[in-house]
Amino acid sequence: ELKVEQNPLFLSMQEGKNYTIYCNYSTTSDRLYWYRQDPGKSLESLFVLLSNGAVKQEGRLMASLDTKARLSTLHITAAVHDLSATYFCAVDMTYGGSQGNLIFGKGTKLSVKP
Amino acid sequence: DAGVIQSPRHEVTEMGQEVTLRCKPISGHDYLFWYRQTMMRGLELLIYFNNNVPIDDSGMPEDRFSAKMPNASFSTLKIQPSEPRDSAVYFCASSFRGYNEQFFGPGTRLTVL
Repeated sequence: ELKVEQNPLFLSMQEGKNYTIYCNYSTTSDRLYWYRQDPGKSLESLFVLLSNGAVKQEGRLMASLDTKARLSTLHITAAVHDLSATYFCAVDMTYGGSQGNLIFGKGTKLSVKP
Repeated sequence: DAGVIQSPRHEVTEMGQEVTLRCKPISGHDYLFWYRQTMMRGLELLIYFNNNVPIDDSGMPEDRFSAKMPNASFSTLKIQPSEPRDSAVYFCASSFRGYNEQFFGPGTRLTVL
């Protein structure tokens, strides 16, 4: 059974600081996704990582994927209050396929304080 | 495009009643997913369709749950009879090809009393 573990589950940061959220998964997969969810809202896609070594950046967020280590990271640079949200990683369990059968982590609730 | 559309946005019902949730995916998307989100269990994939055909319904919790996709622009998730433990936010999502990002609808917040 595929398991997806995120850590930390809660993260309180000061504005301007850097931090990394980790996403480990338990079985072979080559597709990983990061989503953002604001309180009471839906999920918004941030990054799609489709191969080993993939790195994507958008603004203050950068995501990477190491399929050999079964690890993805979401790095936050110089955090600002607007980044406060819950961040989910999701892993496609259909390795070698392409059917979007995603297993989500529990989410990391990020709070950025001035 | 208006994005994924779900209705109703909120539903309050009594135990034993039938509940039908509706979803309109983004035009041109060939995959449709139904998820449930609760504090205890997080986000769970219930069922997904490819070209209107159910591919995997192993996440559907019980026979009380059923889903249909009669055409490319409409899907329903039905709970009959509903129970208080079904209270959750139900999301519909769609994607073009299974490996691309999934676009989520606004969700339906279901409360079963």
